[in-house]
Amino acid sequence: EDKVVQSPLSLVVHEGDTVTLNCSYEVTNFRSLLWYKQEKKAPTFLFMLTSSGIEKKSGRLSSILDKKELFSILNITATQTGDSAVYLCAVTQGDSWGKLQFGAGTQVVVTP
Amino acid sequence: NAGVTQTPKFRVLKTGQSMTLLCAQDMNHEYMYWYRQDPGMGLRLIHYSVGEGTTAKGEVPDGYNVSRLKKQNFLLGLESAAPSQTSVYFCASSYSLNSAGGNGELFFGEGSRLTVL
Repeated sequence: EDKVVQSPLSLVVHEGDTVTLNCSYEVTNFRSLLWYKQEKKAPTFLFMLTSSGIEKKSGRLSSILDKKELFSILNITATQTGDSAVYLCAVTQGDSWGKLQFGAGTQVVVTP
Repeated sequence: NAGVTQTPKFRVLKTGQSMTLLCAQDMNHEYMYWYRQDPGMGLRLIHYSVGEGTTAKGEVPDGYNVSRLKKQNFLLGLESAAPSQTSVYFCASSYSLNSAGGNGELFFGEGSRLTVL
């Protein structure tokens, strides 16, 4: 059975801390892994990863994929209260372009 | 810059009632999707469409029907609502697999919160 597992489920950090979120997957015919940030409403796109070992970076956020060990990590450095959100990991398979299979998400709370 | 718009944003139904959620996108995307989000379960795909006039089942299609009569609209119908369908529903759209703009990114609407009593 295909599955996407995120850990931890939730965490609380102080402003300025670094956060590392994990996403492991077991799916047939893996194509890509995506990270989304969800605040109160719609998820917003962060990264799409298709190749192992190539880090994607956007400001204080970065992510990398390991296709051998079947996981990805999302790092947030120098966290700010605006980083408080649920971070969702999703994978796509084969030719099913938009049929994302999501993990349950990691809730991050950044305290002042 | 409307993007993906869902209506209504909130609705309360009684068991057995029917309703339709409307999703409209103005980005000329080929693909559209309906997801539901429940606590602790992430987002699960209900139905999706790869073009006008086409629909397909996702992971949790039972109890729902969809239609894509126009490229920009994707309707989700509940024929006989059940309490198990209490959820937040998200519509999304994306470019097609082979289009120049396609990178896998889905654009989400802001969600529709449905409560079935």
